Amino acid sequence: GAGVSQSPSNKVTEKGKDVELRCDPISGHTALYWYRQSLGQGLEFLIYFQGNSAPDKSGLPSDRFSAERTGGSVSTLTIQRTQQEDSAVYLCASSLGGTGFTGELFFGEGSRLTVL
Amino acid sequence: GESVGLHLPTLSVQEGDNSIINCAYSNSASDYFIWYKQESGKGPQFIIDIRSNMDKRQGQRVTVLLNKTVKHLSLQIAATQPGDSAVYFCAEKWSSGNTGKLIFGQGTTLQVKP
Repeated sequence: GAGVSQSPSNKVTEKGKDVELRCDPISGHTALYWYRQSLGQGLEFLIYFQGNSAPDKSGLPSDRFSAERTGGSVSTLTIQRTQQEDSAVYLCASSLGGTGFTGELFFGEGSRLTVL
Repeated sequence: GESVGLHLPTLSVQEGDNSIINCAYSNSASDYFIWYKQESGKGPQFIIDIRSNMDKRQGQRVTVLLNKTVKHLSLQIAATQPGDSAVYFCAEKWSSGNTGKLIFGQGTTLQVKP
């Protein structure tokens, strides 16, 4: 497709289980971002990938959270031993990145995670 | 997590009036400031950006003003329409080396009354 694709759109899991959320960015976009949005809140930065550079992981809330980006394209956000406070919408975005980047991100529609 | 501060969580305006949404930011090293619109159930959508060396930029029905002295950003929407009802976020691009990390504010809900 032409836009950023995220899957699953909804995920319900039990506390303590691991979950994987997938993001397929726009073809050709070198930068990829993960954000978390709790109900009625703003976007909390999690992690940022730019080309082959080491990712900026400064927003990951704990070591239960990790993300990888394979082949400079698809990214997976993994949450281990999920907790109820992990419930949120996880948004992925991509952009052209690089020195010409002015801040225009293209977002997917998010993966809504509910931890029971 | 890291975020930019916002004034007035909810703004209600009459259709046809002008809307002004405000934002305070913290990082004086940010090189771009951006406004996003998020409709219910969707991801945020880019509206307009402004470079840190500018104080005003106009788009279609929108104007962004930047006051670096007081670290304040605003979005003005002219002749507000029902389709403008959404949550509006400001964001700043932290420029440290090659990083393009965007930090978002908490958002302002704009309600347009017919």
